[in-house]
Amino acid sequence: GAVVSQHPSWVICKSGTSVKIECRSLDFQATTMFWYRQFPKQSLMLMATSNEGSKATYEQGVEKDKFLINHASLTLSTLTVTSAHPEDSSFYICSARGQVGQYFGPGTRLTVT
Amino acid sequence: TQLLEQSPQFLSIQEGENLTVYCNSSSVFSSLQWYRQEPGEGPVLLVTVVTGGEVKKLKRLTFQFGDARKDSSLHITAAQPGDTGLYLCAGPETSGSRLTFGEGTQLTVNP
Repeated sequence: GAVVSQHPSWVICKSGTSVKIECRSLDFQATTMFWYRQFPKQSLMLMATSNEGSKATYEQGVEKDKFLINHASLTLSTLTVTSAHPEDSSFYICSARGQVGQYFGPGTRLTVT
Repeated sequence: TQLLEQSPQFLSIQEGENLTVYCNSSSVFSSLQWYRQEPGEGPVLLVTVVTGGEVKKLKRLTFQFGDARKDSSLHITAAQPGDTGLYLCAGPETSGSRLTFGEGTQLTVNP
């Protein structure tokens, strides 16, 4: 299947700092990328959907100014958690969709201290 | 919004036992996908079912899509510890723009 990578795979940051997570589709062009958040042993919660070159569509209850999403190219999307707080600690997963289907990245574990 | 209900939410069984996970909805889906996710990793696609009544087999895993395309099941025969993980069903919303996920089934197979 197609490959989606995320970087970093885990990050620890101090409260008040910002963290950027990258999501890349390695062998296909992703017209749409999705960002999810997941708590332990729970399902995925969609945060936002982004199409290349346009603004992301955020789900209800997700602060767009806190979770900045950029989808600058057909192979790269970034999620920036601004002014992170301990409650933002979670597992963030991206998913990329193209003509080959929809595939998920390996996730990024964010811990805010 | 199209909802998917998965059951059971948690399942702990002994190696060698059989199990079935259910994914139900009141809405019709054009297709349903089943994923398995291990701790600290992203979901991995196991199968996509498209046709009502379809049955697909993947080694010891059997996936079924309901005739009305509103439900699906995953049956595992002779479960092994390596089957441990979070199993998720998902289906595309009518708009086609995103996937709806079930709540997930956390399976633990004890040796």
